[in-house]
Amino acid sequence: DAGITQSPRHKVTETGTPVTLRCHQTENHRYMYWYRQDPGHGLRLIHYSYGVKDTDKGEVSDGYSVSRSKTEDFLLTLESATSSQTSVYFCAISDGQGGEKLFFGSGTQLSVL
Amino acid sequence: GENVEQHPSTLSVQEGDSAVIKCTYSDSASNYFPWYKQELGKGPQLIIDIRSNVGEKKDQRIAVTLNKTAKHFSLHITETQPEDSAVYFCAADGGTSYGKLTFGQGTILTVHP
Repeated sequence: DAGITQSPRHKVTETGTPVTLRCHQTENHRYMYWYRQDPGHGLRLIHYSYGVKDTDKGEVSDGYSVSRSKTEDFLLTLESATSSQTSVYFCAISDGQGGEKLFFGSGTQLSVL
Repeated sequence: GENVEQHPSTLSVQEGDSAVIKCTYSDSASNYFPWYKQELGKGPQLIIDIRSNVGEKKDQRIAVTLNKTAKHFSLHITETQPEDSAVYFCAADGGTSYGKLTFGQGTILTVHP
């Protein structure tokens, strides 16, 4: 999947615990994104990054934070997981040249019990 | 913000038939309209895209048409094959930059041999 690795691939956690999902890319692309996928909603943008330490909110950012200290890594943190955050999370990258062609990772299935 | 509606939610066709999936969008500022294919357990993969200065684009058995006046665009798959079975998503950029796409709800396409 275009040099994108998401970890973990699956995670089960309990309500109220912190969770961090990692996205690692080997393409040296400037732009990185976190989307969540839920039945009936398609994919919705959580946060995105347009450079190291440059991030911004997407459509459904409440309850999530992100960090990008290196070009290749983009972390998504759920500070205190809730059952409504049970979802499949996808990381995507873009080279930003005309910038819209997104390449997605394989996803992380997160279950919050 | 942008809103994208996609229909139908499920589509069943016989091998060799054509399949058409339609999307409407709300923001006239949208300029970029990609289509993604997602196979089971994988991330979405870009299959074709179109920009607002083009009315139609073809790539072998798939084509996309865009009607900016009516704010709708469609994916056409001809001579369908069982391997075309997947979930298809349309998206629009809402006139924004850098991959901030708004996705439709998805269409489950099943091609029967």
